[in-house]
Order: sequence, then C-alpha cells, then structure tokens
Amino acid sequence: GAVVSQHPSRVICKSGTSVKIECRSLDFQATTMFWYRQFPKKSLMLMATSNEGSKATYEQGVEKDKFLINHASLTLSTLTVTSAHPEDSSFYICSARGNQGFREQFFGPGTRLTVL
Amino acid sequence: SQQGEEDPQALSIQEGENATMNCSYKTSINNLQWYRQNSGRGLVHLILIRSNEREKHSGRLRVTLDTSKKSSSLLITASRAADTASYFCATDDGNNRLAFGKGNQVVVIP
Repeated sequence: GAVVSQHPSRVICKSGTSVKIECRSLDFQATTMFWYRQFPKKSLMLMATSNEGSKATYEQGVEKDKFLINHASLTLSTLTVTSAHPEDSSFYICSARGNQGFREQFFGPGTRLTVL
Repeated sequence: SQQGEEDPQALSIQEGENATMNCSYKTSINNLQWYRQNSGRGLVHLILIRSNEREKHSGRLRVTLDTSKKSSSLLITASRAADTASYFCATDDGNNRLAFGKGNQVVVIP
C-alpha cells in the first residue's frame, strides 16, 4: 500500500517556541492531505484539510493562525504549531489521499509533541 | 462533530476467540471505514464498505453495514495476540472528511 511518513516522530520543546511537522507521501502524489490531533486514549479529531497549492480548510474551533498548514507540493504538507503551549501537547497524525479518485486515506505514523 | 461512535466497552478475549465491535453513526454516509491503531502509532486502514454494500470480508475480518440502523460491525475471527490494538470506525460523508469514533480497545490474551 501507499506509504506516508512524518517527521519528526517525537519532539519536545519549550513553551513559546514553534514546531514544524512534515508529512510526506513517499510513493504517490497526494492532492489532499489531512491533519488530525489525538489526545491520549481518545479518538482522532480532524483539524484541517490541505489541498496542494491552495489554502487549508480548517475545522470549526481550530485556530488557523495557531496551526499553520502549508501544502507546497504533491508529496509534502507541513503543520507548524506556533508559539506552542503545554495544552498543545498531543499526538498529531497526517493522512494523504491520492489523485485517482479512491476514497482511502493513508496515514502517517504520527508525531508526539510535548510542550514543556 | 464525530459521526462514528463505537460502543465504548473495551474487549478482552482469549486467543482463538472471535472479537466483535460495533459502530453507530448519525448522518448519511458515502462509506464507512475501519482502522486499527497500535499504542502510540499511526492508523492502519483495514477495510472500507460503501453505503450500498451490506457485508464485506478481508481475510479474518468481516464488516457489516446497516444503513437503515446507521450501524456497522467489525468481526475479527480466530483472534491472535497480535490483534491487540485499538480499532476505530470512521465515516466519510462523500467529501472525504473522515469522522472518527471513540475507538475500541481490544486485548487478545495468548
């Protein structure tokens, strides 16, 4: 199946710093990528939908200035958590959908963010 | 808002037994998907069932969908210790935005 990678897999940062998370589709072109957030023992919450070459669409309640998303190419989307605070600590997961019309999303392995 | 909602009970079974999980949702869907997640890891897609399908099989997995009741079930037959994971259903309303349920923790005891 298609492979999606995320980098870094784990990051610890100080409060107030910004953290960038990369999501890459390794063997297919992803016209659409999705960013999710998952709290411990909870389900995934969709944060935003990212389309290559256009602005991301954010879900209700997600601050676009806080979570900056860039989808500059068909294989790369980035999520930047700006001025991170402890409450931003979470597991961030991206997924990618190809451009061949099938509905399946391929998920990355996730990034564990801990803000001190 | 989340559409897919599994029954919140954790499931603990002996190896070799079957494991059944249920999922209910609230609005119209294009398809429903089941995913597996090992602790602290990403999601693995298991199976997708379209709204016009009633049952689907994939290896030891069997998924049913009842659109009149807005519910789905996932059956894992002859469970193995390696099946220990969290299982999520997710609904796609046709816009490819997935709404995930709460997840079901399955523990298979060797």
